[in-house]
Amino acid sequence: GESVGLHLPTLSVQEGDNSIINCAYSNSASDYFIWYKQESGKGPQFIIDIRSNMDKRQGQRVTVLLNKTVKHLSLQIAATQPGDSAVYFCAEITYNQGGKLIFGQGTELSVKP
Amino acid sequence: GAGVSQSPRYKVAKRGQDVALRCDPISGHVSLFWYQQALGQGPEFLTYFQNEAQLDKSGLPSDRFFAERPEGSVSTLKIQRTQQEDSAVYLCASSLSAHKETQYFGPGTRLLVL
Repeated sequence: GESVGLHLPTLSVQEGDNSIINCAYSNSASDYFIWYKQESGKGPQFIIDIRSNMDKRQGQRVTVLLNKTVKHLSLQIAATQPGDSAVYFCAEITYNQGGKLIFGQGTELSVKP
Repeated sequence: GAGVSQSPRYKVAKRGQDVALRCDPISGHVSLFWYQQALGQGPEFLTYFQNEAQLDKSGLPSDRFFAERPEGSVSTLKIQRTQQEDSAVYLCASSLSAHKETQYFGPGTRLLVL
């Protein structure tokens, strides 16, 4: 995994603005990518996923973009709300390495009312 | 239905003590995973079960860590002779089948070793 130090990158946005959270993943052979949201004291919560043969997927208020050329994943949140404040992690799965999730660097999203 | 549950939610242990952490996956979920999350970091894989078979234990940091899932449902992660560096949140996740990738996480057990 891509372990980082104790200081998570932080993104601060105003309520109602759009948020973009970025992630660089490690394995060009990864087959599947997931974004998780983790609130304080809770386990990661599934938000949206995308397979490696896609470059974009949309959900409710969220969009994931995948750029395999530069091994980059992004999560876009439309009309960000205070309830979106949390730490966001990207994760990848490589099928020939089993089903384990490899988590990337987290980003702390802070939404100001 | 109920999600993944874990117990205890918090555990304080003296260095050298043994601890046992329990995970109740979503009913019917075949796959079960354990992860370790240090403060300020993303979860890191420990071990994986498909039913009662432990198929991957490559992430267990030492032979003091042991996991089991004897009947293919509830799983226990045991840490023997705990050390301060074992302090972390231990997360359990389950998924419907070996080929269903969406993993649903429990709330975690926060372990503090003094």
